[in-house]
Amino acid sequence: EVQLVESGGGLVQPGGSLRLSCAASGFTFSRYSMNWVRQAPGKGLEWISYTSSSSTATYYADSVKGRLTISRDNAKDSLYLQMNSLRAEDTAVYYCAREGGDRAGYGMDVWGQGTTVTVSS
Amino acid sequence: QSALTQPASVSGSPGQSITVSCTGTNSDIGIYKYVSWYQHHPDKAPKLLIYEVNNRPSGVSNRFSGSKSGNTASLTISGLQADDEADYYCSSYTSSHTVAFGTGTKVTVL
Repeated sequence: EVQLVESGGGLVQPGGSLRLSCAASGFTFSRYSMNWVRQAPGKGLEWISYTSSSSTATYYADSVKGRLTISRDNAKDSLYLQMNSLRAEDTAVYYCAREGGDRAGYGMDVWGQGTTVTVSS
Repeated sequence: QSALTQPASVSGSPGQSITVSCTGTNSDIGIYKYVSWYQHHPDKAPKLLIYEVNNRPSGVSNRFSGSKSGNTASLTISGLQADDEADYYCSSYTSSHTVAFGTGTKVTVL
């Protein structure tokens, strides 16, 4: 079964750091580009970052650039999101999502169930 | 980076057809074929319904169809069913090498 499972969410103070993980199974992870998408409480979906299959291309939303870093380990079938200098507005459910094609925006065809990050003192 | 514009809500009766619009600019929808649509039920993972404007992934009902004209994309749901009640989001690749999601549309089945 094709599956993505996020972990690492939790409660963190403003200015703190957190590292999210996404474990892939059921498909050849190294062949696919990946994204992180979030949804703040009561808000819509917000794309935040993309990495190509071999990490040669990474893109970020302006709202997270310089604070969040996407990375992957193809040997471990895992995607990561290092989150630094966290703000209250980063509070959200964070999803990892597989890109169905060979470029950003092609269509995210597999999603995890999400992990919740709460930034609060 | 601005979100694409969608109506906040659309409703219809069972069996009817409804259309959800998604308006962007000539930096996203207007110049790329990389427009997708997602269905999101509360507390579930979003589901890809349409990719590349009008293509359906395997397993998605042919009641869902997509189109694009100029800077506006559209999702049509025909033969509306109770289970179609959910939030729907469009997305598009942008000239800034980012992905923009729409503001989201809540579809209600009357």
